[in-house]
Amino acid sequence: DADVTQTPRNRITKTGKRIMLECSQTKGHDRMYWYRQDPGLGLRLIYYSFDVKDINKGEISDGYSVSRQAQAKFSLSLESAIPNQTALYFCATSDSSGDHYNEQFFGPGTRLTVL
Amino acid sequence: GDSVTQMEGPVTLSEEACLTINCTYTATGYPSLFWYVQYPGEGLQLLLKATKADDKGSNKGFEATYRKETTSFHLEKGSVQVSDSAVYFCALVNFGNEKLTFGTGTRLTIIP
Repeated sequence: DADVTQTPRNRITKTGKRIMLECSQTKGHDRMYWYRQDPGLGLRLIYYSFDVKDINKGEISDGYSVSRQAQAKFSLSLESAIPNQTALYFCATSDSSGDHYNEQFFGPGTRLTVL
Repeated sequence: GDSVTQMEGPVTLSEEACLTINCTYTATGYPSLFWYVQYPGEGLQLLLKATKADDKGSNKGFEATYRKETTSFHLEKGSVQVSDSAVYFCALVNFGNEKLTFGTGTRLTIIP
């Protein structure tokens, strides 16, 4: 079973629609992240959470919101989707302690298309 | 702020060729450095890492050495295989910042 799962894996939606991307992890990590990947731009951080009560904006948070429902779940919402939010979205987790400190583990990604 | 610059792609090589993908960084302090690999249709996987100057990370025949004097972390492999075809990302995380900063990625294609 995958340690970091994302749903849905693919989604096509229309401009103005609200959409939620979900991420779940079974790694027991305290930290979770949302990135978007665009061709030629690498990965850019949208939001991150170091524990359930700690939510922080990343470099491109405008137009997005998040919810950390539990240590294992971190959701990303687009309140009113627009075409330039078409991208590949990745969730990642990391452990703040131990030998793998600062290593991030990625989900398989959600491909979102906004028409 | 922190930044990572890596070799522009795409890179196409024949099987068994030598590979080098350049990566340089700008950061204050002493960051940890990573190479991640993204196979087609998948998420990113950690390939190797180095946490201090002169450390060498290695995995699956790939190597990279943390060179503080040249602020570089070049990825190398002596003999590539078709299965190495993927996108490779160089990244860093700085103590106290604790967020990954990625390069733009280099697409590698190996032809038989």
